[in-house]
Amino acid sequence: GAVVSQHPSRVICKSGTSVKIECRSLDFQATTMFWYRQFPKQSLMLMATSNEGSKATYEQGVEKDKFLINHASLTLSTLTVTSAHPEDSSFYICSARVASGPLNTEAFFGQGTRLTVV
Amino acid sequence: GDSVTQMEGPVTLSEEAFLTINCTYTATGYPSLFWYVQYPGEGLQLLLKATKADDKGSNKGFEATYRKETTSFHLEKGSVQVSDSAVYFCALTRGETSGSRLTFGEGTQLTVNP
Repeated sequence: GAVVSQHPSRVICKSGTSVKIECRSLDFQATTMFWYRQFPKQSLMLMATSNEGSKATYEQGVEKDKFLINHASLTLSTLTVTSAHPEDSSFYICSARVASGPLNTEAFFGQGTRLTVV
Repeated sequence: GDSVTQMEGPVTLSEEAFLTINCTYTATGYPSLFWYVQYPGEGLQLLLKATKADDKGSNKGFEATYRKETTSFHLEKGSVQVSDSAVYFCALTRGETSGSRLTFGEGTQLTVNP
């Protein structure tokens, strides 16, 4: 149990286009999802925290108009990178916190998405 | 602000060697500490955790002890296997569980050769 699926695992897009990344909790409901970003040889940095049915909370320095986060249901959150540029190329990973049950205090990670903007 | 520093990688060991990956942190109060592992092509998996000083987390032969006096949470394993090859992340959170926001270290790539 407690599986998080992220899709796609890899994507290549052209500069100026938008890319949507999905994060799904497959066998549990998630009230909170976190989006992280990792540059090569660097740590995972939290971008934003999303709660189902409300606006995401972005970390300082993260452009909310560029990285659109939608958490419309208890099993799905999406991150859309709008007007992508090469500097947006990175590894994006989500995690979801279980809403209830014995695992309700832990968060589980998706497998990540490697975005390359050309 | 909070921060986590891990030893630089990559680390390459022979099978059955002893492993230590150093992790130190900076945070006020009493954070909870975690080690995550990421196998190729997969998401991060919680390996072990400790929520208070002197706690020892352990799982799959890996151990780490929460040392408040040295602000450290070093990961150790007595005898590594080829299947332990992965990236290891140290992390902390202000809450008691990974369900709160996490601050990660840089990650350490471990390669174990047969």
